[in-house]
Formats: sequence, structure tokens, C-alpha cells
Amino acid sequence: GAVVSQHPSWVICKSGTSVKIECRSLDFQATTMFWYRQFPKQSLMLMATSNEGSKATYEQGVEKDKFLINHASLTLSTLTVTSAHPEDSSFYICSAVGTSGVAGETQYFGPGTRLLVL
Amino acid sequence: KQEVTQIPAALSVPEGENLVLNCSFTDSAIYNLQWFRQDPGKGLTSLLLIQSSQREQTSGRLNASLDKSSGRSTLYIAASQPGDSATYLCAVKWTGGFKTIFGAGTRLFVKA
Repeated sequence: GAVVSQHPSWVICKSGTSVKIECRSLDFQATTMFWYRQFPKQSLMLMATSNEGSKATYEQGVEKDKFLINHASLTLSTLTVTSAHPEDSSFYICSAVGTSGVAGETQYFGPGTRLLVL
Repeated sequence: KQEVTQIPAALSVPEGENLVLNCSFTDSAIYNLQWFRQDPGKGLTSLLLIQSSQREQTSGRLNASLDKSSGRSTLYIAASQPGDSATYLCAVKWTGGFKTIFGAGTRLFVKA
């Protein structure tokens, strides 16, 4: 089956620093990847949609300059939280949609990255 | 606006009981609907995926049904076990777009 990985699985950083989270599709090519954020005891909220080779599309209320998304290849998307603050502490989950076959048009989710900003 | 609603928000049942979780969605032009399980502090585990053309899917003790005309899906869990305790999320993808919208989830606690 299709597998999506995220790295790191958790990260603790100081306020003001930037944090990069990687999302990889391990055994399929993903033309589209999604980034979600989940606050404690709340559901997943879509932050942005990224397509390989083009700019990401951000949901209303999500600051594109704060959450930088790069989808440089068909197997890798990165989310960089710039100048992180404690309110950015959350669980970040990515998902990927394949080009065809087993993963075609079905979203596969990564295991998530827990970010804690002190 | 496309929205997904799940009720109840929380549910506590004794072990062995059969139970039903509900998911409703606006706009019946869906592409697919997926049920996930999430354990505390963990990622998502896909349970069942129902395509728009399907009425139900089954996996072990789980059965998910889909009624597009009424905008509803149910997840039926038979003979519940303490290990079933988790948050269950319903997610809908509509036609004409890539986005998947999640419901707020139902937190299930099965008492031994």
C-alpha cells in the first residue's frame, strides 16, 4: 500500500526560530500534497494544498509568509514554520494524492509531526 | 459551504455493545467518504473508504454506509472492545476539487 512519512515526528524549539517539516511519499509519486493542523481535542483543519512545481494554495486565514510550503519533487513537500511562536504549537499532518494506480486520487496520510514552541 | 458534522461528539459504552457513529455532510456531490481512527497524540489510521458509487464497505467488525441523497454516513462497530477506544473522524472529498474536509470527530470510550 501507499505510505507517507513525516520527519521529524516531534520537535521542540525556541520562540522565534524556524522549523522545517518534511512529508514524503515513499512508494508512489504525489502530484498533490496537503498540510493540516490539529489543535488539542479538535479536528484537522486544512492549511494549504501544494502541487508539484507550483505555488501552494492557502486556506483562508492561513498566513502564507509564516507557513512556507515547497513541493519540489513528486515525492517531497516541506512545511516551514517561520519565526515560530507558542501559538503555533500544534500537530501538523500531511497527506498525499498519487498520480495513478493504487494511490490515484486517494489521500494517504502521514503520521504527523508534533511541534512545541517554548 | 461544504461542511462535515459528526454526532455524538463523545460516547461511552460498555464492552460488547454494538454502536453507531454518525456523519452528515452538506452538498451530496461527493467523490468519496472516509472513516479514520485517531489514538491520542497519534496520526490517522484509515478504516474504510466509500466511493461515491458505493453504498457500504465492511472490514471486520466495522461497517460503513453511505446515503448521498440524505447527506449521511454511519459507522457501525459490532461487539465493541476497550481497544476500540479512540477518536473516529469522518472525512469527505467532493467532486470537482481535491480538498478533503474533516468532521470534528467522535471520541469513543469503551469500558471494560
